[in-house]
Amino acid sequence: AQSVTQLGSHVSVSEGALVLLRCNYSSSVPPYLFWYVQYPNQGLQLLLKYTSAATLVKGINGFEAEFKKSETSFHLTKPSAHMSDAAEYFCAVREGNTGNQFYFGTGTSLTVIP
Amino acid sequence: EAGVAQSPRYKIIEKRQSVAFWCNPISGHATLYWYQQILGQGPKLLIQFQNNGVVDDSQLPKDRFSAERLKGVDSTLKIQPAKLEDSAVYLCASSYRIAGVSSYEQYFGPGTRLTVT
Repeated sequence: AQSVTQLGSHVSVSEGALVLLRCNYSSSVPPYLFWYVQYPNQGLQLLLKYTSAATLVKGINGFEAEFKKSETSFHLTKPSAHMSDAAEYFCAVREGNTGNQFYFGTGTSLTVIP
Repeated sequence: EAGVAQSPRYKIIEKRQSVAFWCNPISGHATLYWYQQILGQGPKLLIQFQNNGVVDDSQLPKDRFSAERLKGVDSTLKIQPAKLEDSAVYLCASSYRIAGVSSYEQYFGPGTRLTVT
């Protein structure tokens, strides 16, 4: 069975500071991993995805994430936070290339302090 | 390219009433998903369609929820009768298929926020 754990339901950073959002997963087979962002009253938008290629994945808006199999982690980072990064972030896992279902974490709300 | 369309955006009903949500996926996307997102939680898959067939509805409360995608394009999700705990945002997403496998990129609509009083 798949599951996703996002540590920290709320994270606050100062503008220009490092953003680190944590995600750990459990999967019985090599997973596909995703980060989505959700702005208020909008649907989810894909930030980046890991699909068994390079372990360091670069996404949109300056975000990147590193797949660490030994730690079963896929943490999301951005070197310098911008006010426009304030949103809800969701980590999701899918069972390799044959699984149909996506499992989402409970989300992390990012606040950027000016 | 037009995105995933959903309507209505907001709906308020009383418990025991019925409600229906509509979704039109991106043109050409064979796979359509309905998710329920309760406040403070991540989206939970309710049902997945491949064209007009159901792939997975294991988490759909079938005693009150139903969904259809008769022509393999747009879809309707219905709740009858609604309960207080059905208050949530209902998200529709779609994806295309490559070599018989659904793409791992899902495109989400803006959602319908349902409040049951």
